[in-house]
Amino acid sequence: GAGVSQSPSNKVTEKGKDVELRCDPISGHTALYWYRQSLGQGLEFLIYFQGNSAPDKSGLPSDRFSAERTGGSVSTLTIQRTQQEDSAVYLCASSSSRAGGTKNIQYFGAGTRLSVL
Amino acid sequence: QKEVEQDPGPLSVPEGAIVSLNCTYSNSAFQYFMWYRQYSRKGPELLMYTYSSGNKEDGRFTAQVDKSSKYISLFIRDSQPSDSATYLCAMSGVDSSYKLIFGSGTRLLVRP
Repeated sequence: GAGVSQSPSNKVTEKGKDVELRCDPISGHTALYWYRQSLGQGLEFLIYFQGNSAPDKSGLPSDRFSAERTGGSVSTLTIQRTQQEDSAVYLCASSSSRAGGTKNIQYFGAGTRLSVL
Repeated sequence: QKEVEQDPGPLSVPEGAIVSLNCTYSNSAFQYFMWYRQYSRKGPELLMYTYSSGNKEDGRFTAQVDKSSKYISLFIRDSQPSDSATYLCAMSGVDSSYKLIFGSGTRLLVRP
């Protein structure tokens, strides 16, 4: 079946503009994650959604970052008043269960490459 | 100091070589250990998943976890040019097991 889908694949914006990044998880996956990958760096956890539970927003770097997940499926990551340091690849992942073990395996999309000029 | 340390490489080896990739970590609460492979401009894909200490083998890949030393390894036997990618280690604790902590990745180049 289809994997995790992210759009757009590339986004170039000007400093100070708002951007919205979209993630469509694997059908039936209840958990959804956002990560940020800066050049030459590992992935940095941003936010986690699980079903109807309150999301874990502990990784969001500032109040300019927010995310929603509507209807338990598609998620949107919004960055307001973008800064040059926001330039990175934003990756979305989904998994089928919150519990530890192999059911918690996270499947990643190809990411959105954000460039802030 | 980062919670998870990984040599960025690049590591260049001839085809057929045995490759050893490693990560060290500082948080003794980590229980789940993973290796992801990431090709250029693609998302990471899971290669190996290990719980607690021990070894796990899957085809040409072997993952080892030494919790006493806080050290994990991935071995690739008979390396192929198609193995050329960035390899990321990731780990999490029992609490908040969903919150993966990643190493910065090691770039591997297998020369034909």
